Amino acid sequence: GNSVTQMEGPVTLSEEAFLTINCTYTATGYPSLFWYVQYPGEGLQLLLKATKADDKGSNKGFEATYRKETTSFHLEKGSVQVSDSAVYFCALRIQGAQKLVFGQGTRLTINP
Amino acid sequence: EPEVTQTPSHQVTQMGQEVILRCVPISNHLYFYWYRQILGQKVEFLVSFYNNEISEKSEIFDDQFSVERPDGSNFTLKIRSTKLEDSAMYFCASSVLAGGNTGELFFGEGSRLTVL
Repeated sequence: GNSVTQMEGPVTLSEEAFLTINCTYTATGYPSLFWYVQYPGEGLQLLLKATKADDKGSNKGFEATYRKETTSFHLEKGSVQVSDSAVYFCALRIQGAQKLVFGQGTRLTINP
Repeated sequence: EPEVTQTPSHQVTQMGQEVILRCVPISNHLYFYWYRQILGQKVEFLVSFYNNEISEKSEIFDDQFSVERPDGSNFTLKIRSTKLEDSAMYFCASSVLAGGNTGELFFGEGSRLTVL
């Protein structure tokens, strides 16, 4: 079946630290991959996406590269800010399907 | 900026009661979705809806669940007879394009349902 496994949280870092949140997937076919973010009191928002192998999605200083050989889509940011504190969700969608398949989410807290 | 809105933000109900969760999708969107997240677990797809009918549903979406677009703006999820295991955060989402065409989904803040 199709599934997404994310790094267990919560993750706590200091401001300006380097961030990696691991995400691996299992999929039949060739999925599109997504990172969604949920800030406190808000809905899930698309952070970045990649639709084919070796694509790199980027937004707001975050990056993730679609690695078919390792079935991974790890989220990285070079220098985190307090405002990055949120829950991050990795997700996939199989081509032609409606639904997103999510990981369990990783809560990130950045301390000043 | 247009957004998806959901009501109520939190509902507490007794087991066996009917619950209706409401969503107002973004006005020019055509595809509507419900997802849920049981505490500590993954966000799970429930159902997608297009052109006034269900286009895809998961095995979770059994006969206890129904969706409706009663007017031009609301999109509702009804749980006919709630069970303890229905306690979860329910997210509504909408998109302009079908999900399969990598159309971006816009999510609401969620409605937390607690079944006692």
